[in-house]
Amino acid sequence: NAGVTQTPKFQVLKTGQSMTLQCAQDMNHNSMYWYRQDPGMGLRLIYYSASEGTTDKGEVPNGYNVSRLNKREFSLRLESAAPSQTSVYFCASSEDDSNQPQHFGDGTRLSIL
Amino acid sequence: LAKTTQPISMDSYEGQEVNITCSHNNIATNDYITWYQQFPSQGPRFIIQGYKTKVTNEVASLFIPADRKSSTLSLPRVSLSDTAVYYCLVGFFYSGGGADGLTFGKGTHLIIQP
Repeated sequence: NAGVTQTPKFQVLKTGQSMTLQCAQDMNHNSMYWYRQDPGMGLRLIYYSASEGTTDKGEVPNGYNVSRLNKREFSLRLESAAPSQTSVYFCASSEDDSNQPQHFGDGTRLSIL
Repeated sequence: LAKTTQPISMDSYEGQEVNITCSHNNIATNDYITWYQQFPSQGPRFIIQGYKTKVTNEVASLFIPADRKSSTLSLPRVSLSDTAVYYCLVGFFYSGGGADGLTFGKGTHLIIQP
């Protein structure tokens, strides 16, 4: 059971570079989410996709774009990386958007120099 | 937006019952209460969810008083492996209605000692 798979696990970027974080789930879930977690902080929602074909902004969407490629995959793109985007990024999925429990990946640790 | 307040940290010993309380004074009628556990270098893991009264599963119980302004996560007979950060989420999430139910606070860092 893979669950939610995130790639890459680690990445170092230079300021201004672009990058796409990949997320895939094999649980046939309808809803998917992207969070960031800074040291000593809780998770903050960046974007979410309640169902295939829809995306919505979360608490901290600035500087990010997302694509719900299909039901399984939800990618997060940084167009021009900034040091403030250094963080651990978590992808999650749930059966649907009615308060179902979320299943999380193990995160992507991103450093921007 | 239902704001939650949890203790920043708690200590306990193996074999004890641990209760972590979350305050959510402005909880709305449709809001659910959900708890997650997070270990270092891992994503959060769902523990339990409830709306009112008491919910129990194989790992924890969730107690919610009638006014729903607080909730208590109860972990029976903790072990060293229960050392983790515990998050209380309150809200209702639905497509087009916003994501208030997806707000993680700083959580409670629970440390279990031998």
